[in-house]
Amino acid sequence: GAGVSQSPRYKVAKRGQDVALRCDPISGHVSLFWYQQALGQGPEFLTYFQNEAQLDKSGLPSDRFFAERPEGSVSTLKIQRTQQEDSAVYLCASNEAGSWETQYFGPGTRLLVL
Amino acid sequence: SQQGEEDPQALSIQEGENATMNCSYKTSINNLQWYRQNSGRGLVHLILIRSNEREKHSGRLRVTLDTSKKSSSLLITASRAADTASYFCATDSSNDYKLSFGAGTTVTVRA
Repeated sequence: GAGVSQSPRYKVAKRGQDVALRCDPISGHVSLFWYQQALGQGPEFLTYFQNEAQLDKSGLPSDRFFAERPEGSVSTLKIQRTQQEDSAVYLCASNEAGSWETQYFGPGTRLLVL
Repeated sequence: SQQGEEDPQALSIQEGENATMNCSYKTSINNLQWYRQNSGRGLVHLILIRSNEREKHSGRLRVTLDTSKKSSSLLITASRAADTASYFCATDSSNDYKLSFGAGTTVTVRA
């Protein structure tokens, strides 16, 4: 079956631009996670949804970062007024509800802010 | 901040040799997982070990967990060129489902 998909795969933005990154989780997966991975580092947690409810946004680095999942399936991570330090790979993962089990990751969106 | 630390940071081995990498973490965990990441790709789940387990096998992979030392090891036996990748350990806790990753071990398998 289809895995987690993300789009775009690559995004170049000028400093100050707004960007929107999309995640399509595995069908039927209730939990959805966003992670940020800087070059040479492991992923760091940003935010977590269960259905449409954003249950944890403790990892969002600033109020320029906003995530939504209005219908409990597709999610969008929006970054306003991008800064160079936002350059990273943004990974989305999903799994079944309320589960400490495997998270299935998408290929990521590589964001470069110039 | 990252919960785990992998050791070594990088490892270069000959095809057919075994590769061992270690992960240490700081706080109590529910599960520990190992993921692989090929260059420019997403993370692929390899194996999950629960806090009440001590050892687990999957194909050429062997994972151990020592909760008293807050550490885990991943052994890849009879390595292949296709095993060239970065390997990350990730932990969760009983309080939430998010994963905390280490910085990873980069493994290069030479043909």
